[in-house]
Amino acid sequence: RKEVEQDPGPFNVPEGATVAFNCTYSNSASQSFFWYRQDCRKEPKLLMSVYSSGNEDGRFTAQLNRASQYISLLIRDSKLSDSATYLCVVNMYDFGNEKLTFGTGTRLTIIP
Amino acid sequence: NAGVTQTPKFRVLKTGQSMTLLCAQDMNHEYMYWYRQDPGMGLRLIHYSVGEGTTAKGEVPDGYNVSRLKKQNFLLGLESAAPSQTSVYFCASGQILASGANVLTFGAGSRLTVL
Repeated sequence: RKEVEQDPGPFNVPEGATVAFNCTYSNSASQSFFWYRQDCRKEPKLLMSVYSSGNEDGRFTAQLNRASQYISLLIRDSKLSDSATYLCVVNMYDFGNEKLTFGTGTRLTIIP
Repeated sequence: NAGVTQTPKFRVLKTGQSMTLLCAQDMNHEYMYWYRQDPGMGLRLIHYSVGEGTTAKGEVPDGYNVSRLKKQNFLLGLESAAPSQTSVYFCASGQILASGANVLTFGAGSRLTVL
């Protein structure tokens, strides 16, 4: 089983719709979680951190379910500019050692 | 603020040639990383550094060497390039938050083709 798994998609969603995708992780000791966004032929950029209580940033909502070991990203009122690949990142650290594991990404295309 | 700068952006090598990718960051971050990204494989960690003068192996270190002589620079070397090293290489620097979480800032990438 991969340490971090994402549905690769592609998700093709009409503009204005709501879309959600999940990411599962295998290590229950994982401590921090993030969503990064990567545009075609560009570098990944931090979209948002994921907190245990869930968090929202404008049209984006991230949630963490530790019991089932997954995180989710919800995008409301999707815009054409939301088209990108979304990378799930899981961070584990212990006694000064830390490990970041990236998912392979979920590709999202917003259709006019 | 430039953030993380990688050079060169593009390079074509012949099998067996050597080259060095340079990464520079101006954010005073302790942690720096080199990743490669291949279709369907996601980002894979090659080497990383937790501070000036330190380096450590990541997930796919074979065929690469690194050096961190100055805090702001992290160099990735290919001593004898192979076609399997054709990839997009990303450098990143890490900011450790008070929570212990590590937030990465990436460079724009270096696209390497080995013929």
